[in-house]
Amino acid sequence: NAGVTQTPKFQVLKTGQSMTLQCAQDMNHEYMSWYRQDPGMGLRLIHYSVGAGITDQGEVPNGYNVSRSTTEDFPLRLLSAAPSQTSVYFCASSYPGAVDEQYFGPGTRLTVT
Amino acid sequence: AQSVTQLGSHVSVSEGALVLLRCNYSSSVPPYLFWYVQYPNQGLQLLLKYTSAATLVKGINGFEAEFKKSETSFHLTKPSAHMSDAAEYFCAVSDGNAGNMLTFGGGTRLMVKP
Repeated sequence: NAGVTQTPKFQVLKTGQSMTLQCAQDMNHEYMSWYRQDPGMGLRLIHYSVGAGITDQGEVPNGYNVSRSTTEDFPLRLLSAAPSQTSVYFCASSYPGAVDEQYFGPGTRLTVT
Repeated sequence: AQSVTQLGSHVSVSEGALVLLRCNYSSSVPPYLFWYVQYPNQGLQLLLKYTSAATLVKGINGFEAEFKKSETSFHLTKPSAHMSDAAEYFCAVSDGNAGNMLTFGGGTRLMVKP
């Protein structure tokens, strides 16, 4: 198993550009989520999904869109990047009821200039 | 709503000294509690977890944490610091809700002096 994979590892965007951060898992996990990590603030939940076709907002959803068309993939879209979205983004996945068995991806470091 | 407070954004210890990283939480239901470690330019690694079994939890690399309900704390300790322990440590809480969402503390960067 590859576990949770994220692409790209690094990305630099200009303000106003759009892009999609990819997240995929090969463990057949129903639950997937996106977090952003900022200095001094830990990780904060952006969006999450409890299954294909079902998504919901987390703590900091503004400026981000998600969709879940398959169990394996959970892409995060930035429609118009802003410098405030400079961060490290982590994707995670797990089985229902297995909060103690979350798998995190390696992260994507995004810089918006 | 849940929250996690990690006292001390930076902690410095000498090699061989006791490591104590503090974590206090708030949760309206019995919580699941976690400590994660992040080495420079790497992802998150689970150190240990509390899931309502034993209150003293042992993790990897010699770390342990004790769940104290009366103090709403889950402090992380290690008897003797190694240089390789230098990293950022995150405490997290979950109420086991749909989505298995975690609420993280702000993190504590541990520095180990030779």
